[in-house]
Amino acid sequence: NAGVTQTPKFQVLKTGQSMTLQCAQDMNHEYMSWYRQDPGMGLRLIHYSVGAGITDQGEVPNGYNVSRSTTEDFPLRLLSAAPSQTSVYFCASSYSRVNTEAFFGQGTRLTVV
Amino acid sequence: RKEVEQDPGPFNVPEGATVAFNCTYSNSASQSFFWYRQDCRKEPKLLMSVYSSGNEDGRFTAQLNRASQYISLLIRDSKLSDSATYLCVVNIGYGNKLVFGAGTILRVKS
Repeated sequence: NAGVTQTPKFQVLKTGQSMTLQCAQDMNHEYMSWYRQDPGMGLRLIHYSVGAGITDQGEVPNGYNVSRSTTEDFPLRLLSAAPSQTSVYFCASSYSRVNTEAFFGQGTRLTVV
Repeated sequence: RKEVEQDPGPFNVPEGATVAFNCTYSNSASQSFFWYRQDCRKEPKLLMSVYSSGNEDGRFTAQLNRASQYISLLIRDSKLSDSATYLCVVNIGYGNKLVFGAGTILRVKS
């Protein structure tokens, strides 16, 4: 089973460039989310989705857009990259119930110069 | 105040030691609780869920005190392979919305 697949694994962007981080899961999970992880701050929720066609903002949504056209895919778009968006990004998926395990992709290390 | 707070460590312990991590959370409506483990430059993975009655999985024991909004993880007979960052995680509802602590670093040395 592939689980949660994120691409790319590494990316360097110039300030002002846009890009899309891809996330796909093959477990038929309703709930998908994007986090960023910065040193000393833990994982912070950017956006999440409880099902196809439904998205909502997390703790740090500014500068990012998401869409959920299918159950499997949940891409994260950086509209105009800034150095403050240098981080490690994780996509996660789970069943949309409490007390269920969240499965994470391997992460994308993004550097904005 | 952060929603989930942990002692960042690092905890440096010898093999065979017992080590305990603590975590507090601020949202009294939190519904479920977890410990995740994250190895260096890897993704987080579920270590164990935490139940009000306490639960044990081999050398690992987790406890929850809802009145004090406090979660703990005890690791007995530490192994070198236990070296990692341990993340305290709280579900605050609506689907499976998780809030993560910043993590506690454990280093087990021979």
